Amino acid sequence: GQQLNQSPQSMFIQEGEDVSMNCTSSSIFNTWLWYKQDPGEGPVLLIALYKAGELTSNGRLTAQFGITRKDSFLNISASIPSDVGIYFCAGHTGNQFYFGTGTSLTVIP
Amino acid sequence: GAVVSQHPSRVICKSGTSVKIECRSLDFQATTMFWYRQFPKKSLMLMATSNEGSKATYEQGVEKDKFLINHASLTLSTLTVTSAHPEDSSFYICSASPRARGQVLGNSPLHFGNGTRLTVT
Repeated sequence: GQQLNQSPQSMFIQEGEDVSMNCTSSSIFNTWLWYKQDPGEGPVLLIALYKAGELTSNGRLTAQFGITRKDSFLNISASIPSDVGIYFCAGHTGNQFYFGTGTSLTVIP
Repeated sequence: GAVVSQHPSRVICKSGTSVKIECRSLDFQATTMFWYRQFPKKSLMLMATSNEGSKATYEQGVEKDKFLINHASLTLSTLTVTSAHPEDSSFYICSASPRARGQVLGNSPLHFGNGTRLTVT
């Protein structure tokens, strides 16, 4: 199936730093979703975006639905150790959800 | 918020046996559920789409006779790995989206179960 291009693949940052990751696709999506997955668990929904240009925050997390509807980014401000995990984007088009390849985040205390 | 429960969280079975994994939507009805397989440090790979009251739709390369899916009610889908082999060992995750029958799938987000770690010895 189609995969979204998610970057960066991994990040190693100091606690307190801001984080930015993004997803791009060659297709137009109607919905963008961002998830965090901890080892051995299922992905947990962080933010859902439904309109092009939409900017939504959830605590220290902010995500935007790109104007072209082919991309989305997720920012994490003032990172803390518990932000460690793998972040996935997901986009919906047709009758399917497609997933990014994941960004592995490591926060160094 | 919408909750998806998956059971068991871990299972170890002998080669040749069958294993059933359950996925339940606890506080909403799900006409459609999705089953994924995830390899270590990899993204989610869609295996099949489970449709309540009808046959599941399998992705290319997924053996429907090996991975049996039953979606008998609006809150329960099951995945049975038949005649399991060591190469079937993996992390299996289900997901569902709370939406009314006929509602566009993408208008509400996907919620995931906690996954099932299957180890076939």
